[in-house]
Amino acid sequence: GENVEQHPSTLSVQEGDSAVIKCTYSDSASNYFPWYKQELGKRPQLIIDIRSNVGEKKDQRIAVTLNKTAKHFSLHITETQPEDSAVYFCAARTPGGGGFKTIFGAGTRLFVKA
Amino acid sequence: DTAVSQTPKYLVTQMGNDKSIKCEQNLGHDTMYWYKQDSKKFLKIMFSYNNKELIINETVPNRFSPKSPDKAHLNLHINSLELGDSAVYFCASSQDQYSGANVLTFGAGSRLTVL
Repeated sequence: GENVEQHPSTLSVQEGDSAVIKCTYSDSASNYFPWYKQELGKRPQLIIDIRSNVGEKKDQRIAVTLNKTAKHFSLHITETQPEDSAVYFCAARTPGGGGFKTIFGAGTRLFVKA
Repeated sequence: DTAVSQTPKYLVTQMGNDKSIKCEQNLGHDTMYWYKQDSKKFLKIMFSYNNKELIINETVPNRFSPKSPDKAHLNLHINSLELGDSAVYFCASSQDQYSGANVLTFGAGSRLTVL
């Protein structure tokens, strides 16, 4: 089955700096890669996603890149702000068990210091 | 108007008891899920239902029994609760499981504490 690995587990940056979170996946049949942000005590919410036929996608300060050959995808946050502090999850949508399922990485706790 | 709502938000109970968590979505989505988030924040899929039919069962113990009376509702019943069941349980829904962008909308979570 699909395995999604995420690094680093914790990331601390200064306000205004960039943050990069990297993920790898194992199942070449995975075709959709969302990123979710979870603030303390809240529900995970989608911030950006990318399909397997696209190499890069950008939305204001956040961007995601996908390397299908290497089975890597990354989240880039530029000009970080204190409100970016949260746990970020990468995920991969993969076929399995008669349907599709979204498998999450272990999460990266991002701290943005003012 | 809450899109995915689950109740209760908090649940504290003794080992061996039985408890239920309810989930409802008003988005018109076909697919609903239960995810478990443990103390290390790891989000693990438990079940997936598409139009009331069980699609995914991720080798969850038989003590966990989901029920979907219609496509807008997915409930989770847990028998004989164990300490290791303590976690936050998230319900989620998506338009369906076949569309290219399978965006999950999560409920607020139900924090279960087993003493």
